Amino acid sequence: DAKTTQPNSMESNEEEPVHLPCNHSTISGTDYIHWYRQLPSQGPEYVIHGLTSNVNNRMASLAIAEDRKSSTLILHRATLRDAAVYYCILSWMDSSYKLIFGSGTRLLVRP
Amino acid sequence: SQTIHQWPATLVQPVGSPLSLECTVEGTSNPNLYWYRQAAGRGLQLLFYSVGIGQISSEVPQNLSASRPQDRQFILSSKKLLLSDSGFYLCAWKGVENTEAFFGQGTRLTVV
Repeated sequence: DAKTTQPNSMESNEEEPVHLPCNHSTISGTDYIHWYRQLPSQGPEYVIHGLTSNVNNRMASLAIAEDRKSSTLILHRATLRDAAVYYCILSWMDSSYKLIFGSGTRLLVRP
Repeated sequence: SQTIHQWPATLVQPVGSPLSLECTVEGTSNPNLYWYRQAAGRGLQLLFYSVGIGQISSEVPQNLSASRPQDRQFILSSKKLLLSDSGFYLCAWKGVENTEAFFGQGTRLTVV
């Protein structure tokens, strides 16, 4: 199973951009890169996903390296509500589309 | 729109008692269904997934079982709970394409 590596924690100031890195050096050609975040005492929430090209949505941007061995989730302006654990996950395209979560990055946002 | 219901929100059970957690999905058909467990301060561990009625795959050996009696119903069970079964249990569903997964609000289980 392809695995991801993320820093345990990161800190940011409110209103500043945040770049959350993820390494997935064993990614296969059909693996999608997903990002979820989990607020305290809640289930994970989808943030964004992509395959090869960079992706943007209302929540964040996803920058994928050309060799696909790493990616970066970009929060353009961090708010206090963005404090959460962010998970970078590879979803492989068998019939199950399993999502295997790692330990994630705990993001602390300072006011 | 699609919704996922998971209950109860909290549960305190004695060691050795049975467990049944239910998850239902609305607004979609033939979803992939998942049960995860999260121990305190830890990441999410995939316990079971199902790609169709009666089709259950177990990811880790444990004291739990899962069943899918209907297309949009997923049940997590145990005949005898252990202290180590305590945790935050989350149900999730995903479409058959590689799209986003939706999680329920979770059940916080404490085995005493």
